Amino acid sequence: NAGVTQTPKFRILKIGQSMTLQCTQDMNHNYMYWYRQDPGMGLKLIYYSVGAGITDKGEVPNGYNVSRSTTEDFPLRLELAAPSQTSVYFCASRPFTGLIEAFFGQGTRLTVV
Amino acid sequence: DQQVKQNSPSLSVQEGRISILNCDYTNSMFDYFLWYKKYPAEGPTFLISISSIKDKNEDGRFTVFLNKSAKHLSLHIVPSQPGDSAVYFCAASDNFGNEKLTFGTGTRLTIIP
Repeated sequence: NAGVTQTPKFRILKIGQSMTLQCTQDMNHNYMYWYRQDPGMGLKLIYYSVGAGITDKGEVPNGYNVSRSTTEDFPLRLELAAPSQTSVYFCASRPFTGLIEAFFGQGTRLTVV
Repeated sequence: DQQVKQNSPSLSVQEGRISILNCDYTNSMFDYFLWYKKYPAEGPTFLISISSIKDKNEDGRFTVFLNKSAKHLSLHIVPSQPGDSAVYFCAASDNFGNEKLTFGTGTRLTIIP
């Protein structure tokens, strides 16, 4: 099993550019999440989804958008990149019942210059 | 408002000794707690969890203790091994089965050979 796969692993963006961070999971998990981790900080929840077609805001959603058209995929969109969005982004998933613990991807390190 | 706090950014322990990582929380609605371990350039991986109906959970060398009255939990690693060197995140969830995890800022554990 591949688990949770994120692409790309690294990206440098210029201010004002846009990009999509890709996340896919092959575990048929209902719940999917996007977190960001800034240096010395914990993981902050950006957006989450409880199933295909359903998304909701987390703690720090400003500047981001998501969609969940399938169970497997949960892309994160940055429309107008800003230096404050320089961070490491993690996608995670977990099943609807049973396990509370989420499975994380390897992360995308994004730098906005 | 940091609802989950890890007040020690770093900890160094001799190999073979006990490592104790601490975590405090402020939200009395939290009823499920998890520890994640993170190596550089990797996503967090689940380590151990505990629900609020218990005060201790053990898995091999790892034990988590929960003191609900003090809103405090700790992770004990005995004996500590070099491979335990990583960043450890405490996380909490409310309303068992709720979608969201709130993370602490992490403690970097270094095991000295």
